[in-house]
Amino acid sequence: GNSVTQMEGPVTLSEEAFLTINCTYTATGYPSLFWYVQYPGEGLQLLLKATKADDKGSNKGFEATYRKETTSFHLEKGSVQVSDSAVYFCALSRTGNQFYFGTGTSLTVIP
Amino acid sequence: DVKVTQSSRYLVKRTGEKVFLECVQDMDHENMFWYRQDPGLGLRLIYFSYDVKMKEKGDIPEGYSVSREKKERFSLILESASTNQTSMYLCASSPGGASYEQYFGPGTRLTVT
Repeated sequence: GNSVTQMEGPVTLSEEAFLTINCTYTATGYPSLFWYVQYPGEGLQLLLKATKADDKGSNKGFEATYRKETTSFHLEKGSVQVSDSAVYFCALSRTGNQFYFGTGTSLTVIP
Repeated sequence: DVKVTQSSRYLVKRTGEKVFLECVQDMDHENMFWYRQDPGLGLRLIYFSYDVKMKEKGDIPEGYSVSREKKERFSLILESASTNQTSMYLCASSPGGASYEQYFGPGTRLTVT
C-alpha cells in the first residue's frame, strides 16, 4: 500500500539553526512527493514538491530531494526563522485522486 | 491564484443537530476532498469526489455524507452530530494528475456540545 512516515515532533530550534525533518514513504510505482506547511489557525499550503526521482523541490529556503533508492524526501533549511514555526506535512500521490499524508511535525523556532 | 473557501471558520453545534459544511473552489478543479484533522492523527480522508455527483468513501466516512451538485461546490453533511465529531475540517481541491498538488481551504473548527 501507500503510506508516509515522518519524524515525530515537536521540534524546537533556535533561530538560525539547521532544520531537517525526515520523511520516508512506501508506494507502488512512482509517486509525486510534497511538503505542505500549516501555520496556526490556517489550512495547509504547498511548500514544495518533486515529481520524479532525483528532483529537488525548493521554496522559501526549504529544500527536499526525491530519493528513490532510500524512498525518502527529507525537508531541510539552512537557517530557520521564528516565522517558520508551523506544522509540516509530508505527502505523496500516485494518481492525483488520492493523497497520503504523514502525521505532521510541529516546529517551534525560538529567538 | 486558486482559492478554496469554506463557509465558516468556527462552528458550534449541539449533539443530534444536522450540520452542513460548505466548500467552494474557483479553479474548475475536477477533484475535491474533505479531511478531518485531529492532534496526533494528522489528516484523515472522509470523502472525495472526482466529478459532479460522483463520490468515493475515504478512510473514515461513518457518520458523514457528501454532496456535489455543481463542480465548484462540495458539501460535507453530519446527519446527527456527535461530540466525537468535534474536530478541524479541511476541504481541498486538485485538478487531477499525480504531479498536481492539492489546494486547501482555511478549515472549519467544529465543536459539538
